[in-house]
Amino acid sequence: AQRVTQPEKLLSVFKGAPVELKCNYSYSGSPELFWYVQYSRQRLQLLLRHISRESIKGFTADLNKGETSFHLKKPFAQEEDSAMYYCALSPTSGTYKYIFGTGTRLKVLA
Amino acid sequence: GAGVSQTPSNKVTEKGKYVELRCDPISGHTALYWYRQSLGQGPEFLIYFQGTGAADDSGLPNDRFFAVRPEGSVSTLKIQRTERGDSAVYLCASSFDPDSTDTQYFGPGTRLTVL
Repeated sequence: AQRVTQPEKLLSVFKGAPVELKCNYSYSGSPELFWYVQYSRQRLQLLLRHISRESIKGFTADLNKGETSFHLKKPFAQEEDSAMYYCALSPTSGTYKYIFGTGTRLKVLA
Repeated sequence: GAGVSQTPSNKVTEKGKYVELRCDPISGHTALYWYRQSLGQGPEFLIYFQGTGAADDSGLPNDRFFAVRPEGSVSTLKIQRTERGDSAVYLCASSFDPDSTDTQYFGPGTRLTVL
């Protein structure tokens, strides 16, 4: 079955501390993986996707096919990073509907 | 340019009533998706349109749910005989080309509350 698991509902860190939001997936093949972010009172927006291999707002994510993980990392958290983060998987055949995890709320404390 | 828009932003209805939710995708986007997000959950796929046709409606929970996209642009999600369990945020997303690598752009959602 295709599934995305985000084990942490809430993650609280202090400003300047490193952040790692975990994402594991289950998919029989090589999916496309995305991180979406939802700031307070805003819509879901793309943060980054693994195919781009880029860093956005200081965040990076590496696809580990052996561990079927796509963890999101940032070395120094900022207060403006506080938001809801969703990991999503897109199949590479058939309908490209996203399969989302349940999300992790990141709170960056001053 | 303008992003995906959805109307209404909030809809409160009574159990058993009929509701329509509208999505206006980004101009030129051929693919349109509907998702439903219940409290504490991530968005869950409902239906996907490629142009005017529903290419995949496997996520619709039952036959009370129906969606159309008659001219390949605006889409309407229709829910008959609403139930309290239908209460959720309904999200619409569009993408330029239906491809696994193509970014889906989301609307602000419609929050449906069934009393």
